[in-house]
Amino acid sequence: EAGVVQSPRYKIIEKKQPVAFWCNPISGHNTLYWYRQNLGQGPELLIRYENEEAVDDSQLPKDRFSAERLKGVDSTLKIQPAELGDSAVYLCASSAGTGWYEQYFGPGTRLTVT
Amino acid sequence: DAKTTQPTSMDCAEGRAANLPCNHSTISGNEYVYWYRQIHSQGPQYIIHGLKNNETNEMASLIITEDRKSSTLILPHATLRDTAVYYCIVRVAIKAAGNKLTFGGGTRVLVKP
Repeated sequence: EAGVVQSPRYKIIEKKQPVAFWCNPISGHNTLYWYRQNLGQGPELLIRYENEEAVDDSQLPKDRFSAERLKGVDSTLKIQPAELGDSAVYLCASSAGTGWYEQYFGPGTRLTVT
Repeated sequence: DAKTTQPTSMDCAEGRAANLPCNHSTISGNEYVYWYRQIHSQGPQYIIHGLKNNETNEMASLIITEDRKSSTLILPHATLRDTAVYYCIVRVAIKAAGNKLTFGGGTRVLVKP
């Protein structure tokens, strides 16, 4: 069974440029999560989808961040414009549902903003 | 969700058991204890979870004290590939809670030959 796929794995951009990250969850997983992990810290949830609906986006900085999961499968997270403080690893995870289901994480995208 | 306290780092010898403690003294009756680990340059990986009974799977054992205020993750025979940051997370495992994971700083475990 394929795991959570993310691309790109690494991205270097200049500040004020836009950037997008893509995630394909495990087949059949209807719940998808985006996390941000700053250096030396644990991941922090940005947004959670159940199918195509964003059910928890309270931690997403909506002035510059956006996300979509149009068909309830893969998802894209966008930053526009990027700031130096956005440098981090962006992790995508999926689960078969909510409640006790464990989350499966992708390898992440390491973003460096210069 | 209840807050957890873990040692910042610990070393263990290859082939020996690694015992990772976690304190969660404010845990509520409906909160589970979850353990994840994160190997360098990878995403977190689920290890095990439990409510009040001890649990064991192919990766590890989870021992939860009777008062549920602390727990220990046991890696029975640590290998070099077990070097990682281990996160102890306490959360309510019901649909309404949304399956949210709140990660702390974790314990950085270094397995030495």
